[in-house]
Amino acid sequence: QMQVVESGGDAVQPGASLRLSCAASGFTFSNYAMHWVRQAPGKGLERVAVILYDGRSKYYVDSVKGRFTISRDNSKNTLHLQMNSLRTEDTAVYYCARLDIYAFDVWGQGTMVTVSS
Amino acid sequence: QSALTQPRSVSGSPGQSVTISCTGTSSDVGDYNYVSWYQQHPGKTPKLIIYGVTKRPSGVPDRFSGSKSGNTASLTISGLQAEDEADYYCCSYAGNYIFVFGTGTTVSVL
Repeated sequence: QMQVVESGGDAVQPGASLRLSCAASGFTFSNYAMHWVRQAPGKGLERVAVILYDGRSKYYVDSVKGRFTISRDNSKNTLHLQMNSLRTEDTAVYYCARLDIYAFDVWGQGTMVTVSS
Repeated sequence: QSALTQPRSVSGSPGQSVTISCTGTSSDVGDYNYVSWYQQHPGKTPKLIIYGVTKRPSGVPDRFSGSKSGNTASLTISGLQAEDEADYYCCSYAGNYIFVFGTGTTVSVL
């Protein structure tokens, strides 16, 4: 059974850092590009970052460039999102998602990040 | 990249059909046949129901169908059922590893 499980969400103050993790199982992790998608409370979905299958290429939405870093460890089937200089507008549920044939076909349950003073 | 435009809500009676539009630009929906649709029940994880504009993943009922014309994609739910009441999001590839989601539509079953 293909699945991804996120962890690491927490409530922090503006300016703080957090590291999210995503553990994948049931598929060959190293064959797929992986994404972080977030959803602010009561709002829509936003693709935050992507890392290609080999980890060499990474892309970010403009609002997180320079603050967030996506990484992966194919030997451990894990995906990470290092989030620095957090802002109140980063408050959201963060989902790890697998991309296959240009669609997000495997999603985790999400991990909540709350940035508030 | 701006979000794709969807109607805020649509509604229908059980057994009826409803269609949700998803309007983008010639740089996303109009340029690629990589439109996908997601169903999200309250408090739940999004679920892929359509990919590649028209294709259904295994296990998705054939009541769900997708189409595209120009810069607008559409999701049609035929034979509406109570369990179809949820939020629906479209998503399009926009080149350079950019994916743009729609604003989301709430489907209500009357």
